Amino acid sequence: GENVEQHPSTLSVQEGDSAVIKCTYSDSASNYFPWYKQELGKRPQLIIDIRSNVGEKKDQRIAVTLNKTAKHFSLHITETQPEDSAVYFCAASITSGTYKYIFGTGTRLKVLA
Amino acid sequence: DTAVSQTPKYLVTQMGNDKSIKCEQNLGHDTMYWYKQDSKKFLKIMFSYNNKELIINETVPNRFSPKSPDKAHLNLHINSLELGDSAVYFCASSQGAKDSPLHFGNGTRLTVT
Repeated sequence: GENVEQHPSTLSVQEGDSAVIKCTYSDSASNYFPWYKQELGKRPQLIIDIRSNVGEKKDQRIAVTLNKTAKHFSLHITETQPEDSAVYFCAASITSGTYKYIFGTGTRLKVLA
Repeated sequence: DTAVSQTPKYLVTQMGNDKSIKCEQNLGHDTMYWYKQDSKKFLKIMFSYNNKELIINETVPNRFSPKSPDKAHLNLHINSLELGDSAVYFCASSQGAKDSPLHFGNGTRLTVT
């Protein structure tokens, strides 16, 4: 069925290092891939998104890459800071029947000062 | 000025009770959603409404009944609450059903004792 796998489930990095979170989706018709950041006790907030006609998108310290053939997409955070510590969710649009988003299971990122 | 607002923020109640959560968005979006986030942080879609019409119902028990009086409001009524209903419930909205990011409310933490 429709599925988005996300790895790793937890990730600890030293401040200043890079962090990479990877997702795999199952629906080859998916065409929109947002990433959300959820700080403790708060709502998920969109940090970056990518559409299927683009292979890479960058916004300051964060970037997302998409490999449609392999059905993989990844979030890259460079020069991590303590305030990057949060749970990150990837999502993929699913178009079977009705349009919706399926979320990955989340990655808890800890940036160690 | 909150774009997607939901009330209450916290809800503590006993098993068997009936409760409601209200959601309103002032973004002019035509699609609204309810997501459930369990203790493991998994985000699962429950319902989606487009212009007051139900378009997604993800095999949620019929104790859960969404109601959309207009496209700016999507309320969630839960009958005969069970322990397993304890979770954080997020309302969200988007413009159109395709290809546009979700805007989440701040969540309602429901605790059933």
